[in-house]
Amino acid sequence: DARVTQTPRHKVTEMGQEVTMRCQPILGHNTVFWYRQTMMQGLELLAYFRNRAPLDDSGMPKDRFSAEMPDATLATLKIQPSEPRDSAVYFCASGRFIDEQYFGPGTRLTVT
Amino acid sequence: GENVEQHPSTLSVQEGDSAVIKCTYSDSASNYFPWYKQELGKGPQLIIDIRSNVGEKKDQRIAVTLNKTAKHFSLHITETQPEDSAVYFCAASKGGNNRLAFGKGNQVVVIP
Repeated sequence: DARVTQTPRHKVTEMGQEVTMRCQPILGHNTVFWYRQTMMQGLELLAYFRNRAPLDDSGMPKDRFSAEMPDATLATLKIQPSEPRDSAVYFCASGRFIDEQYFGPGTRLTVT
Repeated sequence: GENVEQHPSTLSVQEGDSAVIKCTYSDSASNYFPWYKQELGKGPQLIIDIRSNVGEKKDQRIAVTLNKTAKHFSLHITETQPEDSAVYFCAASKGGNNRLAFGKGNQVVVIP
């Protein structure tokens, strides 16, 4: 059964370090989303892509975050430099349509 | 943009009883309403959805009802079991190129 995969599942890093999170969307899905989940803010949409082109990244702090889709099978979310307030669970989701979203298992990021 | 609110934030029920979670939305043009279940340590998973051309949809022990006039929709879980304990998110979308707007989530605890 097709699933979204994310790596790494857990990441602990020191403040100031670069963090790269990867996502493999479900084959055939042309829409990819990045979310951040914290207890305080819930699920926040950071960015999403359609056919590998960014449609909206207004939810992402642009000075330190960047999201790309180098090809149809890989989406990346980078944070440089990381800060303790970036600690959260980051989810990738994919779908055939904008309102269809299948979530991956998430990357739990801790920045010390 | 669309604003989705969920009530109550936490719901405890005895095993075997029914649970009902209600969501309200603000944009009368919204026409797609999915529910996601998030278990501990996992990503949200779509469990049921409804479109605005129907008032109710049922899948085994879960059902969703939609009241477009009042702009609210509800998730009903009957004969609750411990594995129903999770966070449930509702969402709404206008379809087309409009993304899903998520609620903050409801914690459901089923007491054995």
